[in-house]
Amino acid sequence: NAGVTQTPKFQVLKTGQSMTLQCAQDMNHNSMYWYRQDPGMGLRLIYYSASEGTTDKGEVPNGYNVSRLNKREFSLRLESAAPSQTSVYFCASSDYSGSAYEQYFGPGTRLTVT
Amino acid sequence: LAKTTQPISMDSYEGQEVNITCSHNNIATNDYITWYQQFPSQGPRFIIQGYKTKVTNEVASLFIPADRKSSTLSLPRVSLSDTAVYYCLVGDSRGSNTGKLIFGQGTTLQVKP
Repeated sequence: NAGVTQTPKFQVLKTGQSMTLQCAQDMNHNSMYWYRQDPGMGLRLIYYSASEGTTDKGEVPNGYNVSRLNKREFSLRLESAAPSQTSVYFCASSDYSGSAYEQYFGPGTRLTVT
Repeated sequence: LAKTTQPISMDSYEGQEVNITCSHNNIATNDYITWYQQFPSQGPRFIIQGYKTKVTNEVASLFIPADRKSSTLSLPRVSLSDTAVYYCLVGDSRGSNTGKLIFGQGTTLQVKP
């Protein structure tokens, strides 16, 4: 049981390049999320998917697109990367678990845009 | 969404009990209070969640007064490995509201030997 996995772990892009961050979970969770965390800051929600087939914007969706490919996978795409998108990106998943609604986080992708 | 206020940083020593208080004056009826822990270079990890009164698990206790406008995370006998950032979140993570949780800046806890 790997939990939440993210690829790649590190990425360097030039301004204007595009890329897709991949996320997968093996816990059969309904909901999945993408966050970004800038140095010294808390996490900010980019997009989330409450269930397979649905996606919604979070706090900071501009410059990103998402795809909920199936129940397991939720990808984040940067169409034209900008230096302001340099950040650590975390994927998470959640479902009701016993007595709590907890989110499980992946290890993160460290993205630098030059 | 209910805004939360918590101290930016706290210091403690090994073996002490640490209490981190979070204010959430505008908490809504359906909102739960959840705490996460984050170590450097890792994703946050769920610690505890509660709605009212007291919740205890193997890691921490969460105290919520009757008016629910604040909550206190209590870590018993901390060790150096408890040095981390602790986030207090308030929101309704059920059903169609899933995902509407906001992480603030958190409280950086430094445990000293």
